[in-house]
Amino acid sequence: KQEVTQIPAALSVPEGENLVLNCSFTDSAIYNLQWFRQDPGKGLTSLLLIQSSQREQTSGRLNASLDKSSGRSTLYIAASQPGDSATYLCAGGSNTGNQFYFGTGTSLTVIP
Amino acid sequence: GAGVSQSPRYKVTKRGQDVALRCDPISGHVSLYWYRQALGQGPEFLTYFNYEAQQDKSGLPNDRFSAERPEGSISTLTIQRTEQRDSAMYRCASSYGTSWHEQYFGPGTRLTVT
Repeated sequence: KQEVTQIPAALSVPEGENLVLNCSFTDSAIYNLQWFRQDPGKGLTSLLLIQSSQREQTSGRLNASLDKSSGRSTLYIAASQPGDSATYLCAGGSNTGNQFYFGTGTSLTVIP
Repeated sequence: GAGVSQSPRYKVTKRGQDVALRCDPISGHVSLYWYRQALGQGPEFLTYFNYEAQQDKSGLPNDRFSAERPEGSISTLTIQRTEQRDSAMYRCASSYGTSWHEQYFGPGTRLTVT
């Protein structure tokens, strides 16, 4: 069974810092990968999707990359803001099915 | 447009009762997924549908859990003879295509079994 690890589990940074969140899969055969944001008591909001033919995606201050050879993904957040405070989840799946495996998340706090 | 909706948002039931959780996907989305999320964990896959066909139910914990999507739109996840360990957030997601398009999540149903 695919296991997904997210490091760090929690992160606290001052406003304005750039930061990197990490995600790794035990089975590196990741077909697609999606990063989500989850606010306390809320649903999941999709941030970025890296499809099978892609290596990275960018949206505003966010950049996600996927190294398929190692099964590792990073989410880069530039110039962090207090509004970025949330839990960030990565999820990916193989090309043998639509089952999506989630990590346990990184809880980010951006201090004003 | 409207996103994925789920009802009820909160459900409290007594052990041994059956519950039915509903998911209404984004209009036109052909794939629908059910997940369960425990506190402090990421969502755990339960099952998914392409149109009305259940493609994978390997994540359903046991035979008390079942799901259907008879007309390829709204889906119902049913838990029979609920147990306290079934208490969790149940999340539904939908995607446009049948193979690996972006998944959009609903707000979830918080199930508490007393």
